[in-house]
Amino acid sequence: AQSVAQPEDQVNVAEGNPLTVKCTYSVSGNPYLFWYVQYPNRGLQFLLKYITGDNLVKGSYGFEAEFNKSQTSFHLKKPSALVSDSALYFCAVRDADGSSNTGKLIFGQGTTLQVKP
Amino acid sequence: NAGVTQTPKFQVLKTGQSMTLQCAQDMNHNSMYWYRQDPGMGLRLIYYSASEGTTDKGEVPNGYNVSRLNKREFSLRLESAAPSQTSVYFCASSLSGRYNEQFFGPGTRLTVL
Repeated sequence: AQSVAQPEDQVNVAEGNPLTVKCTYSVSGNPYLFWYVQYPNRGLQFLLKYITGDNLVKGSYGFEAEFNKSQTSFHLKKPSALVSDSALYFCAVRDADGSSNTGKLIFGQGTTLQVKP
Repeated sequence: NAGVTQTPKFQVLKTGQSMTLQCAQDMNHNSMYWYRQDPGMGLRLIYYSASEGTTDKGEVPNGYNVSRLNKREFSLRLESAAPSQTSVYFCASSLSGRYNEQFFGPGTRLTVL
């Protein structure tokens, strides 16, 4: 069964410092991985995805993620955190249900990122 | 483009009441989804529609029904609300296929007393 885990409920970082939000996955077959961000009282916004190719994926708002097949990880990173990056971050993996038409996702439980001035 | 819209934004129900959550998208997407979000549990898929005319159960379908009214609209119905259905409900849509990201609506916050 497909699954995704975010081992940290909360990550605290000082503004200007690099940040990492961790995600590990378990899939049968090729992994298709996504990161979303949710600001308070808002819907989720897509940040980036890994389908194939380069292990370093660049996304919106200066975020990037590193795919590591041997460690089954897809950690979200940013070189210099901003206070405005404070939000809830979700990692997700495509649910391989055998149908190529569906983009069903399985989400991690979320990690709250707190960036302090 | 409005993207994905949901109505209502907030709703309070009494146990046993029914209601329908509405969702519409203007991005010409084939696939649509309904999730619920509960603290510490991420998002869980309730139902999805891979294309107009089809619907399928997700991870937590009990107590819900859906209707894919047309390509744009996908509604979620609670026939007899229970306190366990207190949650934030999100609708999403995407292009067909396994690689495409989903676009989310702003959510409906539902409380069942």
